[in-house]
Amino acid sequence: AQSVTQLDSHVSVSEGTPVLLRCNYSSSYSPSLFWYVQHPNKGLQLLLKYTSAATLVKGINGFEAEFKKSETSFHLTKPSAHMSDAAEYFCVVSDRDSSYKLIFGSGTRLLVRP
Amino acid sequence: SAVISQKPSRDICQRGTSLTIQCQVDSQVTMMFWYRQQPGQSLTLIATANQGSEATYESGFVIDKFPISRPNLTFSTLTVSNMSPEDSSIYLCSRRAGPSTDTQYFGPGTRLTVL
Repeated sequence: AQSVTQLDSHVSVSEGTPVLLRCNYSSSYSPSLFWYVQHPNKGLQLLLKYTSAATLVKGINGFEAEFKKSETSFHLTKPSAHMSDAAEYFCVVSDRDSSYKLIFGSGTRLLVRP
Repeated sequence: SAVISQKPSRDICQRGTSLTIQCQVDSQVTMMFWYRQQPGQSLTLIATANQGSEATYESGFVIDKFPISRPNLTFSTLTVSNMSPEDSSIYLCSRRAGPSTDTQYFGPGTRLTVL
């Protein structure tokens, strides 16, 4: 079975500093991996998706993630945090063994200090 | 992206009652999905709503508690029956981005509080 582990439940950064949200995955094959963001009282928005075409995936709002097979990681980064980035972020894997259902990580709450 | 709407956006209900949540998607799809997000938690798949057949429920979820309808290719409802405070959650629906992709687009969610 596929799974993802988000290593930090909360991350706090100052505005203008880099963001790093960590995610490790477990998969017996090359997975489809996603990052979604959930702003307060809003639905989920797709940030980016990895599908093996390129290990460095660029998403919306300046976010990107790098797939590292040797480390089984898919960390999300952004060079400079903005106040509007404050939200809950979910790392997600698609379970090919189960009709491509999405398996969600536990989430990381990003706080951005002025 | 996608345009997915849910009604109601939020509700406060008394224990023992039922609430039906509606989800409208912007394109015809065979499968729609219903998720639950308990307070401070991640998303858990409740069921897959298949047009033309019975919904497929995940372990821990049963049809008597969460009956689902799928009358056409763009609409689905989820009913939360005989509610208790433990049912207080955000309920989200979603659809796939296309027939051959696993990417999903989500609705804004329905925030349910059970007193």
